[in-house]
Amino acid sequence: KQEVTQIPAALSVPEGENLVLNCSFTDSAIYNLQWFRQDPGKGLTSLLLIQSSQREQTSGRLNASLDKSSGRSTLYIAASQPGDSATYLCAVWPNAYSGAGSYQLTFGKGTKLSVIP
Amino acid sequence: NAGVTQTPKFRVLKTGQSMTLLCAQDMNHEYMYWYRQDPGMGLRLIHYSVGEGTTAKGEVPDGYNVSRLKKQNFLLGLESAAPSQTSVYFCASRDEEGAPTEAFFGQGTRLTVV
Repeated sequence: KQEVTQIPAALSVPEGENLVLNCSFTDSAIYNLQWFRQDPGKGLTSLLLIQSSQREQTSGRLNASLDKSSGRSTLYIAASQPGDSATYLCAVWPNAYSGAGSYQLTFGKGTKLSVIP
Repeated sequence: NAGVTQTPKFRVLKTGQSMTLLCAQDMNHEYMYWYRQDPGMGLRLIHYSVGEGTTAKGEVPDGYNVSRLKKQNFLLGLESAAPSQTSVYFCASRDEEGAPTEAFFGQGTRLTVV
């Protein structure tokens, strides 16, 4: 069974700092990995999708990397801003041909980020 | 550009009452999912569907039923609500493998069972 772990559970940084959020998964046979942002009381907003053949994806100040062999992904946020304060979730799903559960997205519990002005 | 729309956004039920949550997507996606989110537990999969007319159990299916009669809609039913079903429910959809497979989520339904 795929398990996804996000460390740390919470992080508080001063505005302007660069930071890294970590995501690890136990089964490296993934199809892709997706990072989401969730604001309090809101739904999930997709940030970046990394397909299994890729090593990283970038969008603005965000950069996500993927190392399938070690079962890890990182989300790098440059020059953090108070508006970046939210919970960040990563989700994986296994290769389509990996049998039972192959269609299921498995989530980590998230990292709650607070950027202090 | 609606994406994934959930109805209703909020609901309070009494124990034993029934209700149906509706999820509608306008992206012609094959796969649809229902999750519940609880503090400290993260997002847990209730049921999912890999196409019109198909459904399958996820991690926490007990007490829920689902139907996918039309490709664009995925319904989640609670036949006899219990306080343990107080949660925030999220619907998601994504395309099949071989196509862009980014998952899209609705804004959630906050359900309280008293």
